Parts: sequence; structure tokens; C-alpha cells
Amino acid sequence: QKEVEQNSGPLSVPEGAIASLNCTYSDRGSQSFFWYRQYSGKSPELIMFIYSNGDKEDGRFTAQLNKASQYVSLLIRDSQPSDSATYLCAVISFRGGGGADGLTFGKGTHLIIQP
Amino acid sequence: KAGVTQTPRYLIKTRGQQVTLSCSPISGHRSVSWYQQTPGQGLQFLFEYFSETQRNKGNFPGRFSGRQFSNSRSEMNVSTLELGDSALYLCASSLTVTHYEQYFGPGTRLTVT
Repeated sequence: QKEVEQNSGPLSVPEGAIASLNCTYSDRGSQSFFWYRQYSGKSPELIMFIYSNGDKEDGRFTAQLNKASQYVSLLIRDSQPSDSATYLCAVISFRGGGGADGLTFGKGTHLIIQP
Repeated sequence: KAGVTQTPRYLIKTRGQQVTLSCSPISGHRSVSWYQQTPGQGLQFLFEYFSETQRNKGNFPGRFSGRQFSNSRSEMNVSTLELGDSALYLCASSLTVTHYEQYFGPGTRLTVT
């Protein structure tokens, strides 16, 4: 059973600070990693994806991947109140016969940015 | 470029009925996946279609089925609805099966009474 674990929060961060969101996954065959942002009552929005070990930066967002530790994180710099949302970590694993499984999601971390 | 569209946005059905949901992917995207989101279970993968073929299926009963048309549009069907089928059903599209970035539509909120 493939599992993706996230702290449900809420994680409260003051405006302008760095928000750090973490995710661990159980399947060592997982190859691709995604962060989605979901506002209440809305659908998930893809904000970052990372396929290789290390850091990937896009604007205020940095995704970090450590496959040896089966750990992926998302850093949000200069946090804004509009960043308040639930952040979902998702992974894709590859099957032995080729091809990929569907996304396996964590339950999400509820982030609150305090003005 | 227009995003993923789903119709209808809201549905109310009674137990035992069946329902069909529709999804139009982003223009040029050929892979469509379906997910169920509930407060208790979170987001769970239902199935994926590419080139009118189901490539992948999650751990859901056979009452859940789907199909894809030649224009990449997809439908999912749930037969013999149960109260536990009440959920947000999300469709996501990606370019191909080797492009794993998936973009979600607004979802269809299904309520079973």
C-alpha cells in the first residue's frame, strides 16, 4: 500500500516568514513528486513538481527532494495571507511493466499565514 | 488556453440511481484521470484514460467506470449509487502518459441522498 504522509496542521506562519511543508512517502519506486495548493471549496492547483534529488526553485516556492530519505518538502518564502490554503503532496510511482500509476496524495497540510 | 472543464458542477441523486459526469481536458492534452475527494479519505485515484483506453485503475468497485472519446473528452459513470459515493469528483488532464504534471478541473460535487 503506497502511502504519502503529511502533518495535517494547521501550520501557522507570520506574514513575511518562510513556511516549510513536509511530506514523506513509503514507495521507493516513486519517481515524480508534486505539490498542489487547494483553497477551500476549490480544486487542487499544481504549483511545483520535482523529479530529481535536490532543490527546484520557482519564484517564492522551492521544492526539495531527498529520495534516499523518501522525503519531499515545499518552502514558501515571504509568505502572504493569500498563501493560506491546504497544500497537498502527491507522488507517482512506476509499475514494473512500464507506465505510471495515478497520483497518490497525502491528506494535506492546512497552512495559515497570519497578517 | 482554456483549462479543464467539468459538467455538471453540482448533482443531487438518490440511492440506487446512476450518474454520468463529463470532463473536457485542456486543448492538446490527451491523458485524462479521475479522482474522488472526500473529507475522510482525501483524494483517491479512480482511473486514467489515454487514446480511448483505460491504462490504470484505482481501488474502487466496478460500479465506477469511465470512457474516453476520440477527442480526448472523458466521462465517468457511477451505477447503483450509495450514500458513501457523495464526494467531489475531479478530472485532471496531462499532455500524454509520460508527462506527469496533471491539471485539475473545478470538479463535480455529487450528493447522494
